[in-house]
Amino acid sequence: GAGVSQSPRYKVAKRGQDVALRCDPISGHVSLFWYQQALGQGPEFLTYFQNEAQLDKSGLPSDRFFAERPEGSVSTLKIQRTQQEDSAVYLCASSVGLANNEQFFGPGTRLTVL
Amino acid sequence: GENVEQHPSTLSVQEGDSAVIKCTYSDSASNYFPWYKQELGKGPQLIIDIRSNVGEKKDQRIAVTLNKTAKHFSLHITETQPEDSAVYFCASEREYGNKLVFGAGTILRVKS
Repeated sequence: GAGVSQSPRYKVAKRGQDVALRCDPISGHVSLFWYQQALGQGPEFLTYFQNEAQLDKSGLPSDRFFAERPEGSVSTLKIQRTQQEDSAVYLCASSVGLANNEQFFGPGTRLTVL
Repeated sequence: GENVEQHPSTLSVQEGDSAVIKCTYSDSASNYFPWYKQELGKGPQLIIDIRSNVGEKKDQRIAVTLNKTAKHFSLHITETQPEDSAVYFCASEREYGNKLVFGAGTILRVKS
């Protein structure tokens, strides 16, 4: 079956531009996660949704970062006024259950801010 | 918050040899410990996981051991093959948690 998909796969933005990254989770998965992965590092948690409710946004690095999942399926991560330090791979993952279940990761969106 | 340390950062082995990667964690409330494999340009993929009520788990050539007292867990790959070459990440999660905390990763190279 289809896995987690993300678009675009690559995004180049000029500093100061706004970007929107999309995640299509596996159908029926209740939980959705966003992670940021800097080059040569492990993924770092950004935010978590249970259906349409954003239950944890403790990992968002600043108020320029905003995520939504309005209908409990597709999610969008928006970054306003991008900075060079935002350059990273943004990974989306989904999980069938509420906790301690396998998280299925998408291929990621590589964001480069010039 | 939770901190996960992973060693070594790079590991080169000859095809057919074993590889061992070790992780330590700091949060005693962590009880779920997955291992992910990440290939170039792809997202991480779960290869094995273990929960705190189990000390060891095996799946063909892959095994994971957990020592809750010492707060460390290890990945063991036997009879390594070139296709095992990738970056491996350990992670931990609290019971009823909603976020994985990852180690920094180990680059495994299997030389044929």
